[in-house]
Amino acid sequence: ELKVEQNPLFLSMQEGKNYTIYCNYSTTSDRLYWYRQDPGKSLESLFVLLSNGAVKQEGRLMASLDTKARLSTLHITAAVHDLSATYFCSDDTDKLIFGTGTRLQVFP
Amino acid sequence: DADVTQTPRNRITKTGKRIMLECSQTKGHDRMYWYRQDPGLGLRLIYYSFDVKDINKGEISDGYSVSRQAQAKFSLSLESAIPNQTALYFCATSDFYQADTQYFGPGTRLTVL
Repeated sequence: ELKVEQNPLFLSMQEGKNYTIYCNYSTTSDRLYWYRQDPGKSLESLFVLLSNGAVKQEGRLMASLDTKARLSTLHITAAVHDLSATYFCSDDTDKLIFGTGTRLQVFP
Repeated sequence: DADVTQTPRNRITKTGKRIMLECSQTKGHDRMYWYRQDPGLGLRLIYYSFDVKDINKGEISDGYSVSRQAQAKFSLSLESAIPNQTALYFCATSDFYQADTQYFGPGTRLTVL
């Protein structure tokens, strides 16, 4: 069964701390997408990683892709409350498989 | 105005009823998608369409059908709704030349009693 797995599923972290969310996939995708979903809202695109070794950064978030390891990471630097949301990764195969999401809560 | 709109935003219906969810977009994208979201299961692809004459099944198409009436419109139908189709449904669009980054509608919350 082809899968996209995220861990952790839930992350509670203090403001100012760093942490990494992992996205492991078993599909043959060469691209990987990251999305953010606020409670009760829709999804918005954060990053699209187009090839092996790709790294994208926006503010306190940085995403990377290792297609050989079939692993993408979303690194959070010096977390702030506004980053509290659920983060999803998704592959690029024809089934467009999403991970189950990582719910991030940042507290003071 | 929103680029991707969905109607209705909320719907409560009874088992056995036919339901249509509609999606419209002004982004000019050729590709459109329907997903459902269930707690703890992420998003799962129901159907997708790469242009008006193209319809493809996703991971969980059983019990659903779609119609691509125009480039800008993609409808999802439940011919005979059942309770386990209670979920949050999202429409999305993408453009091949924008790396297929998906733009999501606001969602339709469907409850089947």
